Amino acid sequence: AQTVTQSQPEMSVQEAETVTLSCTYDTSESDYYLFWYKQPPSRQMILVIRQEAYKQQNATENRFSVNFQKAAKSFSLKISDSQLGDAAMYFCAYIRGNNDMRFGAGTRLTVKP
Amino acid sequence: DAGITQSPRHKVTETGTPVTLRCHQTENHRYMYWYRQDPGHGLRLIHYSYGVKDTDKGEVSDGYSVSRSKTEDFLLTLESATSSQTSVYFCAISYWGTGNYGYTFGSGTRLTVV
Repeated sequence: AQTVTQSQPEMSVQEAETVTLSCTYDTSESDYYLFWYKQPPSRQMILVIRQEAYKQQNATENRFSVNFQKAAKSFSLKISDSQLGDAAMYFCAYIRGNNDMRFGAGTRLTVKP
Repeated sequence: DAGITQSPRHKVTETGTPVTLRCHQTENHRYMYWYRQDPGHGLRLIHYSYGVKDTDKGEVSDGYSVSRSKTEDFLLTLESATSSQTSVYFCAISYWGTGNYGYTFGSGTRLTVV
């Protein structure tokens, strides 16, 4: 079974600073997809960024970027120039093909003004 | 946006009563999923469907059943609710296209069993 581990239950960052959220996963597959989802207090699950395992280039979306280390099975999320609106629960997720998406336990990010 | 709606948004029910949660989608997606979210566990799969009348169990299926009689509707039923089923429930659909793939989630149902 594939498992996803987020080792940081809570993180804090000063507004305008940079923070990195960690994620590791366990799989024997070579072809899969990785995601970061954001869940604000509204409870909505919002896709932040995604990465195909066969792509060596790290994905970026504006202030959000990932550090994908396939051999180490690591998929960290970097948030640059943190904003108050970034405060939320962040979930790392893994999926292979049409199998179900597997989630980490989440990291709660607090942004201090 | 995949147009997924969940109902109800909140529900309080008594132990032992049956409860049905509804998920409705408007874009003819084949795969639909029910997850529950609990602190310290992230989201865990309850059941999923890969077509009308085609469903299968997920990681935490005990105490739950599902039905899908139409492509657009996926129902989750708690036959006899227990306090351990107090949770937030999410429905999702999967989509796969060139450069555009992942899951889209409904807004969730907070269920409290008292």
